[in-house]
Amino acid sequence: DTAVSQTPKYLVTQMGNDKSIKCEQNLGHDTMYWYKQDSKKFLKIMFSYNNKELIINETVPNRFSPKSPDKAHLNLHINSLELGDSAVYFCASSRRLAGRTGELFFGEGSRLTVL
Amino acid sequence: QQPVQSPQAVILREGEDAVINCSSSKALYSVHWYRQKHGEAPVFLMILLKGGEQKGHEKISASFNEKKQQSSLYLTASQLSYSGTYFCGTEGALRTSGSRLTFGEGTQLTVNP
Repeated sequence: DTAVSQTPKYLVTQMGNDKSIKCEQNLGHDTMYWYKQDSKKFLKIMFSYNNKELIINETVPNRFSPKSPDKAHLNLHINSLELGDSAVYFCASSRRLAGRTGELFFGEGSRLTVL
Repeated sequence: QQPVQSPQAVILREGEDAVINCSSSKALYSVHWYRQKHGEAPVFLMILLKGGEQKGHEKISASFNEKKQQSSLYLTASQLSYSGTYFCGTEGALRTSGSRLTFGEGTQLTVNP
């Protein structure tokens, strides 16, 4: 059983299109995250939800909108895609104890290419 | 604020040792270490909490100097399987509802036969 699974693994699309990435975890964690990894491999946090509540919202264009329908799912919708959005998007989950980040479990990543 | 990792890259022969450093300009609560192989997701290695502890994971261990806001990852008798990019992630000492892990730029480790 895959602990953190995200779909799709690859997206290739044109500038201006809208795309969504879905993530699910079966670890019983209360917190889920979206990280963006650019071509230089820099891992940058974008959003985090704790028990369906948005707790981290980094300086991300409002074209990016996360949604967490329940503790086990976190989706990312991106509107009006731009070339600079090309990256690998990782979903992750963890337990959060007393407001602190526990061990992160990452999904396999979704590689987005904007042409 | 992003922690600083050094070196950026290191090449070893199998059996050699390496040290990867991670330093922060702010007081830390914890340091995480992850390894990412090419084309794969980062995988957790260990977490160190403030208190200056040292942890081990097979032949990989780490230390955390809370006063210096630094952590070091030690890889001894390296194996080919150790190749990958190593990331440290730090969490600040100040607890807020939005407390988060911030990653360094990574250290690319290559182990050759």
